[in-house]
Amino acid sequence: AQTVTQSQPEMSVQEAETVTLSCTYDTSENNYYLFWYKQPPSRQMILVIRQEAYKQQNATENRFSVNFQKAAKSFSLKISDSQLGDTAMYFCAFMMWSGGGADGLTFGKGTHLIIQP
Amino acid sequence: DAGITQSPRHKVTETGTPVTLRCHQTENHRYMYWYRQDPGHGLRLIHYSYGVKDTDKGEVSDGYSVSRSKTEDFLLTLESATSSQTSVYFCATQGANSPLHFGNGTRLTVT
Repeated sequence: AQTVTQSQPEMSVQEAETVTLSCTYDTSENNYYLFWYKQPPSRQMILVIRQEAYKQQNATENRFSVNFQKAAKSFSLKISDSQLGDTAMYFCAFMMWSGGGADGLTFGKGTHLIIQP
Repeated sequence: DAGITQSPRHKVTETGTPVTLRCHQTENHRYMYWYRQDPGHGLRLIHYSYGVKDTDKGEVSDGYSVSRSKTEDFLLTLESATSSQTSVYFCATQGANSPLHFGNGTRLTVT
């Protein structure tokens, strides 16, 4: 079974700063997907970014980028020029290459990110 | 998001009563999931479905049952609600090798 660990229960930074959220995972699989989801106070779960394990290039979506270190099993999320609207819970998730099912998807416990004005 | 509707949005019920939460999707996704979200636990899988009438248990399935009679609908039933089942419940769907798409959640309070 896979495990996902987010070691920072809560983080707080000033607006416009850059912040990095950490995520480590444990798996014996070689091919898989990794995701970051954002959950604002509205409770909605929003996909922020995805990374395929076979791709060496780190995924980027506007101000959001990841540092994917496959050998170290690390998948951190960097938010540049942070904005008040980035305040949310952030969840790291692992998905096996074969796709869905109970064993295929694992979430970390989340990091509560607070952007201070 | 991805045409997923959860109902009701909020519900308050008494201990011992049956409760059914509904998830409806318009994306024709094969996989559907029910998660519960509690502080300090993140998202925990209750049950999932990989097709019509095909369901299986997740990590925290005790006290819950599910049914999927149509591709678009996935029901979660608490046969006899307990206070420990007070939580936020999320439905999610998934197409082939794609991320999960979530509904907006149902906040259930068992008094």
